[in-house]
Amino acid sequence: QSALTQPASVSGSPGQSITISCTGTSSDVGSYNLVSWYQQHPGKAPKLMIYEGSKRPSGVSNRFSGSKSGNTASLTISGLQAEDEADYYCCSYAGSSTFNWVFGGGTKLTVL
Amino acid sequence: QVQLQESGPGLVKPSETLSLTCAVSGYSISSGYYWGWIRQPPGKGLEWIGSIYHSGSTYYNPSLKSRVTISVDTSKNQFSLKLSSVTAADTAVYYCARHDSSGYSFDPWGQGTLVTVSS
Repeated sequence: QSALTQPASVSGSPGQSITISCTGTSSDVGSYNLVSWYQQHPGKAPKLMIYEGSKRPSGVSNRFSGSKSGNTASLTISGLQAEDEADYYCCSYAGSSTFNWVFGGGTKLTVL
Repeated sequence: QVQLQESGPGLVKPSETLSLTCAVSGYSISSGYYWGWIRQPPGKGLEWIGSIYHSGSTYYNPSLKSRVTISVDTSKNQFSLKLSSVTAADTAVYYCARHDSSGYSFDPWGQGTLVTVSS
């Protein structure tokens, strides 16, 4: 099972919006609306930001939103803030005959 | 609120077995949910290792399945990971996490523990 493809880095200025893409296949992203997104600050554990493609856990800012088209999922962060600077990982359920999850390689977000 | 804490040796010799435990507080494992292990090699991305249900049903990453065993001890409210025949490629920060209520995401996570494979 190959990892999902994410851009290595994206950047934006405070107040702007950015979008991070996550490309998979018809066996994972394309088959299920079960993509999740995680934020990871240096030296910290990942934090769930989006689940089931577009749902936000309690406590996560509504500046974070998720979507999907075909085999590609996207995370959009609007109104960029300095504290949004972190690594972001997508993850998709990829199970067919058994449970299986695949992660993306991660995207470094820099707030200029 | 539920909290998870990994523990185990930080250094393992090549060809030996890596063993880690995840202690859960604030929630009884026997009440439900899936519980998982995820790892992150230094400077690299995340990789799902496997997950276990409170009843003991297990699911493993196909690429690691031959070397992985995950077990649960409800009496101690913890679950464990064993990875056999380790090599330097298994050097990583190992995280334990609970699957969320949907079952398809991971939330929350433990703080992670670095395991280095070296002689």
